[in-house]
Amino acid sequence: SYVLTQPPSVSVAPGQTATIACGGNNIGSKRVHWYQQKPGQAPVLVVYDDRDRPSGIPERFSGSNSGNTATLTISRVEAGDEADYYCQLWDSSSDHPGVFGGGTKLTVL
Amino acid sequence: QLQLQESGPGLVKPSETLSLTCNVSGASISSSIYYWGWIRQPPGKGLEWIGSIYYTGSAYYDPSLKSRVTISEDTSKNQFSLKLSSVTAADTAVYYCASQHFLTVAFDYWGRGALVTVSS
Repeated sequence: SYVLTQPPSVSVAPGQTATIACGGNNIGSKRVHWYQQKPGQAPVLVVYDDRDRPSGIPERFSGSNSGNTATLTISRVEAGDEADYYCQLWDSSSDHPGVFGGGTKLTVL
Repeated sequence: QLQLQESGPGLVKPSETLSLTCNVSGASISSSIYYWGWIRQPPGKGLEWIGSIYYTGSAYYDPSLKSRVTISEDTSKNQFSLKLSSVTAADTAVYYCASQHFLTVAFDYWGRGALVTVSS
């Protein structure tokens, strides 16, 4: 099965930029999605297809994907961005295509 | 706007079958536009994909659960369902249903989640 690896935690001061990595073998050839999950709530899609944002998601959220690493970048971090973030992809070449990363806890200092 | 809502027993005994239903509004589950998926989250842990189904009836399952899982559709009720057999305490989790647009296959709309506890 395809494996996605995320750092367990990332910390950033308000107003700074947070970057959350998602590692996988040749992940740059796949389309990666990112979700934000706050305590007690369902996940929310914040970036899809590496870099696109659903309606209503601030432009501060952006994504990139190349080589063996996909990255979620949150600019001008706010206290309300504190949450768990998960990368995910659909490996259509597999008969079990759904894969989530282990998640990264973003702490706003 | 799509809305999804999980329903089912909150407590299941070990060795029995967990059954959950996801009621969909705002779209037909017979539509070719969407896959329909189940994801779970054990307490304090990360998201785990369980499986997804397409309108053709094709279903995809996580290999670690494949022998115990069935996802099916009820087009007459616009619902899809999850059955997980021979449950143990390790299956205790919040279970989410979600839609996946066929172009991106990202989980774009989610239900609120249903906590299922496996205990005698």
